[in-house]
Amino acid sequence: QKEVEQDPGPLSVPEGAIVSLNCTYSNSAFQYFMWYRQYSRKGPELLMYTYSSGNKEDGRFTAQVDKSSKYISLFIRDSQPSDSATYLCAIYTGGFKTIFGAGTRLFVKA
Amino acid sequence: DTAVSQTPKYLVTQMGNDKSIKCEQNLGHDTMYWYKQDSKKFLKIMFSYNNKELIINETVPNRFSPKSPDKAHLNLHINSLELGDSAVYFCASSQEYLNTEAFFGQGTRLTVV
Repeated sequence: QKEVEQDPGPLSVPEGAIVSLNCTYSNSAFQYFMWYRQYSRKGPELLMYTYSSGNKEDGRFTAQVDKSSKYISLFIRDSQPSDSATYLCAIYTGGFKTIFGAGTRLFVKA
Repeated sequence: DTAVSQTPKYLVTQMGNDKSIKCEQNLGHDTMYWYKQDSKKFLKIMFSYNNKELIINETVPNRFSPKSPDKAHLNLHINSLELGDSAVYFCASSQEYLNTEAFFGQGTRLTVV
């Protein structure tokens, strides 16, 4: 079993839709969870991170961690064409190491 | 003013050649990384350096040799390039106490022919 699993998509939604992106992970000891956004031919950039369980909101983005299910989610409200990108979940495992999901390609149609 | 910069952006080379990728960060970070992203966008850590010291070497072939002359620079030298080395290589950096936030360069797209 991979340490972190993410459906690569692609996911195509109309503008204004609510988008739900998800990852599962295997090690219940993980505590730091991140979401990165990567535009085509660019490096990933951090969107937000959460520590342990709970929700974190930043504008139209909400990150959610359910440690009991080992499930992390990113919700995007009122999605825009500019949100079209690959979204990578990431987990800091300690010891200067971060593992990434495969990334989900999102297309928001105008 | 680019935070993490890599050169070159594109690299096309023949099998068997040796090539280097340079990385510099102006964020004052203590930790730098090399990641490899394959054609399916899977991003995998290769090396991690903290204060110029190698911390992580993720079972990368010996043909790959990172070098950190100072905290702001982390270069990657690849010997005897193989077709399977074709990928996008990303340099990144983070503050030691906040390794949850990494800043990535724009990537170097390596194509081995």
